[in-house]
Amino acid sequence: AQTVTQSQPEMSVQEAETVTLSCTYDTSESNYYLFWYKQPPSRQMILVIRQEAYKQQNATENRFSVNFQKAAKSFSLKISDSQLGDTAMYFCAFITPSGTYKYIFGTGTRLKVLA
Amino acid sequence: SQTIHQWPATLVQPVGSPLSLECTVEGTSNPNLYWYRQAAGRGLQLLFYSVGIGQISSEVPQNLSASRPQDRQFILSSKKLLLSDSGFYLCAWSRRAYEQYFGPGTRLTVT
Repeated sequence: AQTVTQSQPEMSVQEAETVTLSCTYDTSESNYYLFWYKQPPSRQMILVIRQEAYKQQNATENRFSVNFQKAAKSFSLKISDSQLGDTAMYFCAFITPSGTYKYIFGTGTRLKVLA
Repeated sequence: SQTIHQWPATLVQPVGSPLSLECTVEGTSNPNLYWYRQAAGRGLQLLFYSVGIGQISSEVPQNLSASRPQDRQFILSSKKLLLSDSGFYLCAWSRRAYEQYFGPGTRLTVT
C-alpha cells in the first residue's frame, strides 16, 4: 500500500529563521508526483510546491524549496526566512499517474512561526 | 483561469435532517473531482472522487453520498445527518494526476 508519513506533528521556528519539515513515502511505482500543501487558520488548502519524481532537480518556489531523495523516498520542505504568515498546517501528498487518481496525504505538521 | 466554488460556507443542521453541499469548477473541462472531510486539527479523509459524469467512487461507507450531475458540478448529500458528520468539508479538482486545487470549504455543525 502507498503511504505518506509526516513524523513531526508540531514545530516552531523564529521569524526570519529556516525550518525543515519532513515527509517520507512508500510506493513501488517509479513515476509519481509529490506535493506540499499549506493550510492556514482560514483552512483554505494552498498548493506550496510540487515535484515530479522523474526530475532530479529539487523544486523551488521563492522561499520554499524541497529536498527530494528518491532512493530514500524522502521529500522534505525547507522554508527560508520564515514569516508570521507561514504559520499553518503543512501536508505532504503523493499521487501516481496510473491507477485511481487518489491522492495520499500525510497527517500534517503544525508549524508556528514565533515573533 | 480556473476557480472552484463551494457553498454554503457555514451550515448548522439538526440531527436527522438532510444535507446538500455543492461544488462547482469553472475554467476547465472534465476535471477529476474530490470530496474530503477534515476534523478540527486533523488530516484529510477522502470521502468520494469522480473521474467523469456519473462516475463516483466511495472511500468511506457511511450515510453520505455524492453525485456528479454535470461535468463541473459535484454534490455531497445525506438523507439523515448524524452528529459524527460534523466537520470541515473540502471539495477539490485536479487535471488527471497533477496537483489538486481546493475550494474554500464548508464548515458543518450537526446539533
